[in-house]
Amino acid sequence: DTEVTQTPKHLVMGMTNKKSLKCEQHMGHRAMYWYKQKAKKPPELMFVYSYEKLSINESVPSRFSPECPNSSLLNLHLHALQPEDSALYLCASSHPPGTGGETQYFGPGTRLLVL
Amino acid sequence: AQRVTQPEKLLSVFKGAPVELKCNYSYSGSPELFWYVQYSRQRLQLLLRHISRESIKGFTADLNKGETSFHLKKPFAQEEDSAMYYCAPFRFNSGGSNYKLTFGKGTLLTVNP
Repeated sequence: DTEVTQTPKHLVMGMTNKKSLKCEQHMGHRAMYWYKQKAKKPPELMFVYSYEKLSINESVPSRFSPECPNSSLLNLHLHALQPEDSALYLCASSHPPGTGGETQYFGPGTRLLVL
Repeated sequence: AQRVTQPEKLLSVFKGAPVELKCNYSYSGSPELFWYVQYSRQRLQLLLRHISRESIKGFTADLNKGETSFHLKKPFAQEEDSAMYYCAPFRFNSGGSNYKLTFGKGTLLTVNP
């Protein structure tokens, strides 16, 4: 399996809702990433997990809470989001930096709309 | 400050014409350099990585350390090359604790028939 999968594909939520985005890969990658992509903009890094530990948080608001329960799964828990958080959320995975395998493989994304 | 610049937001060429998508970077040290491509309704995917020196779909990119550029080139553009192209330097520190793939703003390439 050489793909990164993300669920759901689309999500509409109110500002008081709690929801989660899920990402899965079975390529044996031990680094996983969350990016946010607004329309017509490049992806912006949010979080990096390396060996299931959070290694980078790009000053993301606490209403976004990442979780890496095992080496294949990455979640992004959402709570009390704002309309400006509406975007495409991308998950990616790679071998950890320094191993020569830094190419990141991206999922198709979850398109989130916050009302 | 670390910066990657893709000066052309839009680039339009005719099929069969040469194409060059420009990328300039300003980074301390020697970043690893990537080009990623996003075709319409498809996921973001790797097009080319400097260290591998592969030629993917006829594209090549030469690293010019003097000019700090990593321009993407193809001698004969095809309609299926129409897509958004992102230059992306990757940098990590020696301790490996701080690393990041940073995307340029992208160039939308349109290849006309």
